[in-house]
Amino acid sequence: KAGVTQTPRYLIKTRGQQVTLSCSPISGHRSVSWYQQTPGQGLQFLFEYFSETQRNKGNFPGRFSGRQFSNSRSEMNVSTLELGDSALYLCASSLYGQGNGYTFGSGTRLTVV
Amino acid sequence: SQQGEEDPQALSIQEGENATMNCSYKTSINNLQWYRQNSGRGLVHLILIRSNEREKHSGRLRVTLDTSKKSSSLLITASRAADTASYFCASNSGGGADGLTFGKGTHLIIQP
Repeated sequence: KAGVTQTPRYLIKTRGQQVTLSCSPISGHRSVSWYQQTPGQGLQFLFEYFSETQRNKGNFPGRFSGRQFSNSRSEMNVSTLELGDSALYLCASSLYGQGNGYTFGSGTRLTVV
Repeated sequence: SQQGEEDPQALSIQEGENATMNCSYKTSINNLQWYRQNSGRGLVHLILIRSNEREKHSGRLRVTLDTSKKSSSLLITASRAADTASYFCASNSGGGADGLTFGKGTHLIIQP
């Protein structure tokens, strides 16, 4: 069974640009969650999607958005990038979500310069 | 924001010894999970313990949960060099609202 696939693995963007990250969950999993990991704030919850609907959202500004497609693949978008958005972005997939065990991808490391 | 705190922040032990990490959380939970992360890569789910459970085992892992003290501990027995990683506890308050709330992690180093 293929794991959670995140693309790209690394990304360098300039302040003010926007970026789109992609996540393909484990086949059959309908829940996709996104987390941001930084040295200062640690792991923080961004949002969770289930069957194409955003079910939960963390405390992040509106510049952070996401969506989920009918095949459960998910994308997250960050607009008007700031230096502080530099982080490892992790995607997690689960059969039904709701706080049960998740399988994480290897992450996308975003550097904003 | 971080809900939990892991203790210690870093731990270095000899191979073969046992490693114990502690985690505290602030609000009532539905379950608590432990994850391992190697060198800034993805997290690997280790074990989940529900709020009505007090202890759980999985291979060399033993997790305890004390809901009255809002704390949990992870014990790794007979440690191996491959256990070197960061370990995070993550609490779920129920229903998935706010997702998982992670602690800051314990960085474990196993000396060969």
